[in-house]
Amino acid sequence: GAVVSQHPSRVICKSGTSVKIECRSLDFQATTMFWYRQFPKQSLMLMATSNEGSKATYEQGVEKDKFLINHASLTLSTLTVTSAHPEDSSFYICSAREAQGASYEQYFGPGTRLTVT
Amino acid sequence: AQTVTQSQPEMSVQEAETVTLSCTYDTSENNYYLFWYKQPPSRQMILVIRQEAYKQQNATENRFSVNFQKAAKSFSLKISDSQLGDTAMYFCAFTLAPSNQFYFGTGTSLTVIP
Repeated sequence: GAVVSQHPSRVICKSGTSVKIECRSLDFQATTMFWYRQFPKQSLMLMATSNEGSKATYEQGVEKDKFLINHASLTLSTLTVTSAHPEDSSFYICSAREAQGASYEQYFGPGTRLTVT
Repeated sequence: AQTVTQSQPEMSVQEAETVTLSCTYDTSENNYYLFWYKQPPSRQMILVIRQEAYKQQNATENRFSVNFQKAAKSFSLKISDSQLGDTAMYFCAFTLAPSNQFYFGTGTSLTVIP
């Protein structure tokens, strides 16, 4: 089956620093990847949609200058949290949609827990 | 606007029993796909079952089946012979074709009691 990996799985950083999270589709090509944020016991909140080779589309209320998304290849998208603050602490999940997929299914990564101290 | 409603924040079921999780959605579109995802304590999102809106037959995957009522915009999940490993958060979701965006419900936390 389609597998999506995320790295790192956990990261702790100091306030004011930046942290990069990688999302990779391991056995398929993904023209579109998605970044979600999830607070404890809540649903997934879509942050942005990234398409390979073009700028990401951010959801209303998501700061594009703070959450930098790059989708440089058909198998890799990165989310960089710039100048992180404690309120950015959360669980970040990426997903990918197969380029040739007809089912519109999204395949999810295992998530990254970010803690900003 | 597209919305998904899961009216049961928490449910529990005895091991080996059957449980049904409710989901309703709202869209004016006609071409869409519905999903149930499971998120266990590991927090990995796992696809449980998928239903194409144009198909009248309800989808089944082993112990999991859906009751898809298109006119009522209802998409409930039935879990038969519940197992301890079914303990998880369950999210109902749908996506419009050919759009990419998923619309998620707020989730139902299911606990299987031994």
